[in-house]
Amino acid sequence: GNSVTQMEGPVTLSEEAFLTINCTYTATGYPSLFWYVQYPGEGLQLLLKATKADDKGSNKGFEATYRKETTSFHLEKGSVQVSDSAVYFCALISGGKSTFGDGTTLTVKP
Amino acid sequence: NAGVTQTPKFRILKIGQSMTLQCTQDMNHNYMYWYRQDPGMGLKLIYYSVGAGITDKGEVPNGYNVSRSTTEDFPLRLELAAPSQTSVYFCASSYGAGSSYEQYFGPGTRLTVT
Repeated sequence: GNSVTQMEGPVTLSEEAFLTINCTYTATGYPSLFWYVQYPGEGLQLLLKATKADDKGSNKGFEATYRKETTSFHLEKGSVQVSDSAVYFCALISGGKSTFGDGTTLTVKP
Repeated sequence: NAGVTQTPKFRILKIGQSMTLQCTQDMNHNYMYWYRQDPGMGLKLIYYSVGAGITDKGEVPNGYNVSRSTTEDFPLRLELAAPSQTSVYFCASSYGAGSSYEQYFGPGTRLTVT
């Protein structure tokens, strides 16, 4: 079956630091890849997505590139803010079914 | 648009009790989903529906039932609650199941079974 493996957390950074959260996947066919963010007490919100190989998704300063050769979709941001503190989930959709990673908790300190 | 709404926000059940978690979306989405999120874990798909009158099992359906009589509503029924069903439950919807269709999530229901 399909699976998504995320970098284990929690991750703690200082404000303005560079962020990378690793995500790798296994899937049959040609999945689409997503990053969702979950703020405390809320549901998940789409952060960005990429639907085919070499696509780059971007939003709010976050970026991720769909790498088919390494089956990866790593999330990056050049300068994090305290307001980026949240749980980040990598996910894929393939054949109509979605699979989520376990989530990575990010805490940004001022 | 209210998006996806879920009720209740919190609930405590005793072992063996039953309850229904409500989910409603006002975006005219065809697809709806129920997930559970255990502490420190990702989301596990319980059931999903591709349209009114059609439902199918996900990864962890045991102990749950669903129905989809309208496009808007997708209630999740727990029969004979067990401590293993303590979790946060999220409902989601999407316009389609194709790879470009993002899912919209409700705020969740935190359920404790004691």
